[in-house]
Amino acid sequence: GGIITQTPKFLIGQEGQKLTLKCQQNFNHDTMYWYRQDSGKGLRLIYYSITENDLQKGDLSEGYDASREKKSSFSLTVTSAQKNEMAVFLCASSIAGQGAETLYFGSGTRLTVL
Amino acid sequence: GNSVTQMQGQVTLSEEEFLFINCTYSTTGYPTLFWYVQYPGEGPQLLLKVTTANNKGSSRGFEATYDKGTTSFHLQKASVQESDSAVYYCVLGETSGSWQLIFGSGTQLTVMP
Repeated sequence: GGIITQTPKFLIGQEGQKLTLKCQQNFNHDTMYWYRQDSGKGLRLIYYSITENDLQKGDLSEGYDASREKKSSFSLTVTSAQKNEMAVFLCASSIAGQGAETLYFGSGTRLTVL
Repeated sequence: GNSVTQMQGQVTLSEEEFLFINCTYSTTGYPTLFWYVQYPGEGPQLLLKVTTANNKGSSRGFEATYDKGTTSFHLQKASVQESDSAVYYCVLGETSGSWQLIFGSGTQLTVMP
């Protein structure tokens, strides 16, 4: 088996601050994802990466940057935190992709912006 | 475009009651359908997966059948336990080249002892 580790578990930021979330996986999966989870809205895709140094935008990419410097790691940056923003950011990985693969999720980073 | 609808935001049952969670989808492609379950403090995990080839999936007592005619993928369980309390997501994927999964809004199941 494998595991996805997200750090930090809790992140508190100030309005306008740049914040970085990190994700590591030891499945040796090619594809990694960042999702945002808001209460009552399901999960929405921010960025995904099908291999090292690849980046693809999801529907919610505005206001975020991502980086995949190694196969095992995928980081997400909130470029300017919005006041009163609260959400959980979930990292996931899959063997390949194309909409039919099982996703393996981390336990999330909970963001609060004061 | 593709979409998934879960109308039930919350379901509350007593132990040993029958569970039915509604899910309908819309797609122009060839769908793969999933149910993911999320326990408190954890990320979602796969509960079951169905493709157009096999129509029905089951896992841990849960069942879901893909109905192309009604474009539905409802989740059922004959007898729930308190440990089944979680959020359940209906998810649509495509094998036609799209890399994005479409998540429903989720159904919070609470099972009372």
